[in-house]
Amino acid sequence: AQTVTQSQPEMSVQEAETVTLSCTYDTSESDYYLFWYKQPPSRQMILVIRQEAYKQQNATENRFSVNFQKAAKSFSLKISDSQLGDAAMYFCAYRSFMNYGGSQGNLIFGKGTKLSVKP
Amino acid sequence: DTGVSQNPRHKITKRGQNVTFRCDPISEHNRLYWYRQTLGQGPEFLTYFQNEAQLEKSRLLSDRFSAERPKGSFSTLEIQRTEQGDSAMYLCASSLTLPTGAGNTIYFGEGSWLTVV
Repeated sequence: AQTVTQSQPEMSVQEAETVTLSCTYDTSESDYYLFWYKQPPSRQMILVIRQEAYKQQNATENRFSVNFQKAAKSFSLKISDSQLGDAAMYFCAYRSFMNYGGSQGNLIFGKGTKLSVKP
Repeated sequence: DTGVSQNPRHKITKRGQNVTFRCDPISEHNRLYWYRQTLGQGPEFLTYFQNEAQLEKSRLLSDRFSAERPKGSFSTLEIQRTEQGDSAMYLCASSLTLPTGAGNTIYFGEGSWLTVV
């Protein structure tokens, strides 16, 4: 079974600075998706960024970028020029690419990292 | 609004009562998922539908829980004889997934908070 581990329960960053959130995962599959979701205090889960495992290039979305290390099974999120609105819980998630037995493509989440942004 | 819609947003119920939550997915999405999230934890998978067929149920989904998706559109999640341990956020999500299972992003609703007293 796949697992996702986020080893940083809480992180803090000064406004306008850069912060990196860590995520590691365990899988025997070769094809899969990785995601970072943001959950602000209003509680709706919002997609931040997505990475396909078969792509070597790291995904980037504006101020958000990932460092995807497939061999190391590591998927960290870098937030540049942090803003007050970035304060939220951040969840790393794994999803199988195909209908592998038992998984069927649902998301497997880590426990999350609470990010605080200081003005 | 074309997002995933859930209601009610909050529900307080007495232990032993039944509750039902409704989810309206994004209209063209064929897969619908239910997750449960407790404070300080990530969401945990409960069940999912491919159109109207319920294809997978987690071990977390006890026999007091039942989910339906008639006609492959909206879905309901019913919890019978609620217990205090059922208190959580119930998240609905949807995605457009190809027959091979290769799929797109899963989009979430705002969730339904359940408090059992």
